[in-house]
Amino acid sequence: ETGVTQSPTHLIKTRGQQVTLRCSSQSGHNTVSWYQQALGQGPQFIFQYYREEENGRGNFPPRFSGLQFPNYSSELNVNALELDDSALYLCASSWTSGNEQYFGPGTRLTVT
Amino acid sequence: QKEVEQNSGPLSVPEGAIASLNCTYSDRGSQSFFWYRQYSGKSPELIMFIYSNGDKEDGRFTAQLNKASQYVSLLIRDSQPSDSATYLCAVNDNNNDMRFGAGTRLTVKP
Repeated sequence: ETGVTQSPTHLIKTRGQQVTLRCSSQSGHNTVSWYQQALGQGPQFIFQYYREEENGRGNFPPRFSGLQFPNYSSELNVNALELDDSALYLCASSWTSGNEQYFGPGTRLTVT
Repeated sequence: QKEVEQNSGPLSVPEGAIASLNCTYSDRGSQSFFWYRQYSGKSPELIMFIYSNGDKEDGRFTAQLNKASQYVSLLIRDSQPSDSATYLCAVNDNNNDMRFGAGTRLTVKP
């Protein structure tokens, strides 16, 4: 166990809806990164938060947004859900940006 | 486009053998390199990281990095059936953009 937690474990949403996923980082970690993993593929980087500021973003549209709170926990928000958003969403925390990252168990999102 | 390439496998080795997993990357500015193990239906688990050219050993695992050839590998000695999983190579550059390969599926046969 890494100490990184995510909620919920599973989620089913309808196309066009909005979703919020949550992540609590490992104790002592100030950096949280979010990834999307489709079946049979490696995780794709969405964005990273370092000390409450966005600190890098992958090739995802603006309807993917996030927050990091003073306790370094984080949220991923996705608006206007599309069928292709169905995936495993992973949160990873690290001591600081650039260091090794430790993943939470993930949230499985299904969009119907 | 920054790419991380892995042979998708499946790679099959007998129990007790050495499994060799390979990864190449396109971005010469890459600074840090990671190997993750992912069991089916689970999240990735960090097993090795390496920042400098050469070898790094941890138990049965050895990571090898050659920045000139843009190549990183993972050797698993005395492979066990419990090592059967997908192994993900990840590369981080100074832009905090961690890029993953698609993974190599390893099967260790008893």
